[in-house]
Amino acid sequence: QQQVKQSPQSLIVQKGGIPIINCAYENTAFDYFPWYQQFPGKGPALLIAIRPDVSEKKEGRFTISFNKSAKQFSLHIMDSQPGDSATYFCAAAYSGNTGKLIFGQGTTLQVKP
Amino acid sequence: DGGITQSPKYLFRKEGQNVTLSCEQNLNHDAMYWYRQDPGQGLRLIYYSQIVNDFQKGDIAEGYSVSREKKESFPLTVTSAQKNPTAFYLCASVGTLAGGRWNEQFFGPGTRLTVL
Repeated sequence: QQQVKQSPQSLIVQKGGIPIINCAYENTAFDYFPWYQQFPGKGPALLIAIRPDVSEKKEGRFTISFNKSAKQFSLHIMDSQPGDSATYFCAAAYSGNTGKLIFGQGTTLQVKP
Repeated sequence: DGGITQSPKYLFRKEGQNVTLSCEQNLNHDAMYWYRQDPGQGLRLIYYSQIVNDFQKGDIAEGYSVSREKKESFPLTVTSAQKNPTAFYLCASVGTLAGGRWNEQFFGPGTRLTVL
C-alpha cells in the first residue's frame, strides 16, 4: 500500500515531442504528489507538485494530470528540449507524515536534438 | 545562501572501514532524511529524523547509523556491516510550502561512495 509505481523506466523523444511519465499509487491517504527532476551527479530538485483536489496543474512547459478515482498521476513535458534530459521521479506523501515521501523508481528521459 | 551541503562529494572506502558522510542545512528545517540511490532503483530511505535527538529507521537501515545532536546536522555512518555500500547518498530536509500544509523536500548535492 505504500508503493508508488512509475513507468516507463526510460524514454527517448525528439525535440519538441511530449514525453509522458505515469505513476500509480494504492494508499488513498496520500494527499501530496510531487515530481522531482535530477540531473546526473546532482541531487533531485522539486519540479512541480499537485494535491488531490485538482485534476491538472501547469507550470511552464510541465503539466501534472491527476486522476483520483484511478489513483494515477502523470507528468507531461510540452515542447521538450534537450536540456530536459534528466531522471524524473514521482512521489507521494500524506500530510500527517511530516514530509516522508514515497518515491517511484524513476524515469530516465532523453530528448534528442 | 540557504541550502543543504553534503561532504565529501566523492568518498572511497576500503572493506572493513566505517565512513561518515556529512549533511548540514541552514534552512532551519526540523526534519532531515538520508536516501540511498542505486541505478534503476530510485531513492530508498535509510534513516530520518523529525527533531533533534530523535531518529527512525527507514526501509534499508541495516549497516547504517545516524545521529542528530544539532538541528543543522545529520551525519550518516556507513559501517562495515553494510555489505554493498557503493552508491550515491542523498541527504534531504523538509520545509513547509506556502500555505503550510504540504512539505517540500530539499535535497543536497549527494556523496558518491565507492568501496575499493
